[in-house]
Amino acid sequence: AQTVTQSQPEMSVQEAETVTLSCTYDTSESDYYLFWYKQPPSRQMILVIRQEAYKQQNATENRFSVNFQKAAKSFSLKISDSQLGDAAMYFCAYLRPPIQGAQKLVFGQGTRLTINP
Amino acid sequence: DGGITQSPKYLFRKEGQNVTLSCEQNLNHDAMYWYRQDPGQGLRLIYYSQIVNDFQKGDIAEGYSVSREKKESFPLTVTSAQKNPTAFYLCASSTGTVFSLYGYTFGSGTRLTVV
Repeated sequence: AQTVTQSQPEMSVQEAETVTLSCTYDTSESDYYLFWYKQPPSRQMILVIRQEAYKQQNATENRFSVNFQKAAKSFSLKISDSQLGDAAMYFCAYLRPPIQGAQKLVFGQGTRLTINP
Repeated sequence: DGGITQSPKYLFRKEGQNVTLSCEQNLNHDAMYWYRQDPGQGLRLIYYSQIVNDFQKGDIAEGYSVSREKKESFPLTVTSAQKNPTAFYLCASSTGTVFSLYGYTFGSGTRLTVV
């Protein structure tokens, strides 16, 4: 079974600085998708960024970028120019396209990010 | 606006009672999911449904039941057999096709507390 591990339960960063959240996963598949979701205090889950395993290029979305290392099964999230609104719980998630059936997301334990003004 | 509506936002259950959490979507998504969130454990899959009148157990289905009589609705019942039901419950949906690979849409959640 696929597993996702986030080894940093909590992280903090000064406003305007850069922070990197770690994620590793275990899979025997070659074709899969990885996601970072943000859960602010409202508890609404928000998709931050997505990476296809077949793409070598790292995904970027404005201040958010990933470092995808397929061989190492690592998928870290870098937040540049941190803002107070970035404070949230961040979840790494894995999805394998099924041959048939629903696509099930597997989540890591989460990292709580605090932004210090 | 299209989205997922979960109700109620807060729910209190007495010991031995069954309670039902509502999840409704107007996104025309085929697939729907229920996750449970506990501190330090991330989100764990309870049940999922690919199409109407069909659903499958997830990783922690014991003590829960679901139905999928309509495409828009996927209610979750927390039964008295669930020994530790206090948690935050999230409902999600996806198209059930290759476009699901863009990620799920989540509801805003229900906080269930046993009193």
